[in-house]
Amino acid sequence: QSVLTQPPSVSAAPGQKVTISCSGSSSNIGNNYVSWYQQLPGTAPKLLIYENNKRPSGIPDRFSGSKSGTSATLGITGLQTGDEADYYCGTWDSSLSAGWVFGGGTKLTVL
Amino acid sequence: EVQLVETGGGLIQPGGSLRLSCAASGFTVSSNYMSWVRQAPGKGLEWVSVIYSGGSTYYADSVKGRFTISRDNSKNTLYLQMNSLRAEDTAVYYCAREKPAAMASLDVWGKGTTVTVSS
Repeated sequence: QSVLTQPPSVSAAPGQKVTISCSGSSSNIGNNYVSWYQQLPGTAPKLLIYENNKRPSGIPDRFSGSKSGTSATLGITGLQTGDEADYYCGTWDSSLSAGWVFGGGTKLTVL
Repeated sequence: EVQLVETGGGLIQPGGSLRLSCAASGFTVSSNYMSWVRQAPGKGLEWVSVIYSGGSTYYADSVKGRFTISRDNSKNTLYLQMNSLRAEDTAVYYCAREKPAAMASLDVWGKGTTVTVSS
């Protein structure tokens, strides 16, 4: 059971938009920045969004992030077949067992 | 080029020990926060441990007392010493760097090394 909650899967057609939610608590998302990672099959995770809504260089503006209270959302517009991957949210948890926490991952299928 | 390369994985019996290495290039390990993250087969990401630039270390409850994170500044390499290994430690182990001047983001990841704990 992951500390952060994500939907197991989402799907949409090419060219459409999809959002992936990430729910946490005051000890993690509520008081820390959220980052998002894309993991293509058989590869290492890749940073997509950091500090809630910033994109590293090289990440297209089709990817966006937002945060409100203890939840965060990743948005992807203009879906492409190459976007099929697992997506993870992550943040630091400041509870007694301090450390990084991740969501369980969301499998994106581009129909 | 900024890069991380993990080595040291393999097949190990329950109760055994293994040391993973993560060689960095293009940046200095000791000046950054460095983490180990693992992924069991077919599962999600699980954080294992972090070492701060100042030397402080933190561990996930699941590995506390069994795993030790360290670094060798002269070799610009991060390590994870894993003792008393259990079947549930079977995973791909990634090392990752926290993005400098940013909060809670892992911006450089290695390709991972596979650890299989089985008799």
